Amino acid sequence: EDQVTQSPEALRLQEGESSSLNCSYTVSGLRGLFWYRQDPGKGPEFLFTLYSAGEEKEKERLKATLTKKESFLHITAPKPEDSATYLCAVPRYGGSQGNLIFGKGTKLSVKP
Amino acid sequence: GAGVSQTPSNKVTEKGKYVELRCDPISGHTALYWYRQSLGQGPEFLIYFQGTGAADDSGLPNDRFFAVRPEGSVSTLKIQRTERGDSAVYLCASSLTAGLNNEQFFGPGTRLTVL
Repeated sequence: EDQVTQSPEALRLQEGESSSLNCSYTVSGLRGLFWYRQDPGKGPEFLFTLYSAGEEKEKERLKATLTKKESFLHITAPKPEDSATYLCAVPRYGGSQGNLIFGKGTKLSVKP
Repeated sequence: GAGVSQTPSNKVTEKGKYVELRCDPISGHTALYWYRQSLGQGPEFLIYFQGTGAADDSGLPNDRFFAVRPEGSVSTLKIQRTERGDSAVYLCASSLTAGLNNEQFFGPGTRLTVL
């Protein structure tokens, strides 16, 4: 069964303390992996799409990487405004391009 | 330009009632998606439209749920005989066209509470 698992469920960091969030997936024929950020009371906001193992993408303090089994979201020198829930998602095997399976997310808190 | 908008932002209803949730996608976006998100969970796919037609409705949980997009723009998610388990945030997203390289833009959601 297709599955996306994110860890840890919650992460507390001090401002400037770098860390990584993990997204592991079990899906046949990966067609892409997506990272989103979600602030309380809002819809998810797109961050990155990764398509193949070895691919990396960066945006400000965030860098996403992909292997054949998992993806990491590295946060370098985080700031309090990086506090949010980070979600990853993959297209369901055999499903339409819009049929995404999301993980439960990692809730990141960055303290000043 | 304006993002995806959803109305109402909150809806409280009683068990057994009928509700309609509306989504206005970004102008010009041909693909539209509905998800629902329960507390502490990621979004769960419900249905995806390409233009006016439902390209994939495999996520609709049962026949109480129905969605339309008659003119290829605004979409309405309809829930009949609501149950307490339907309580969740219903999210709508749109993308320029279908395809994995087209980012989905999400609206703020409608929080549905069934008493």
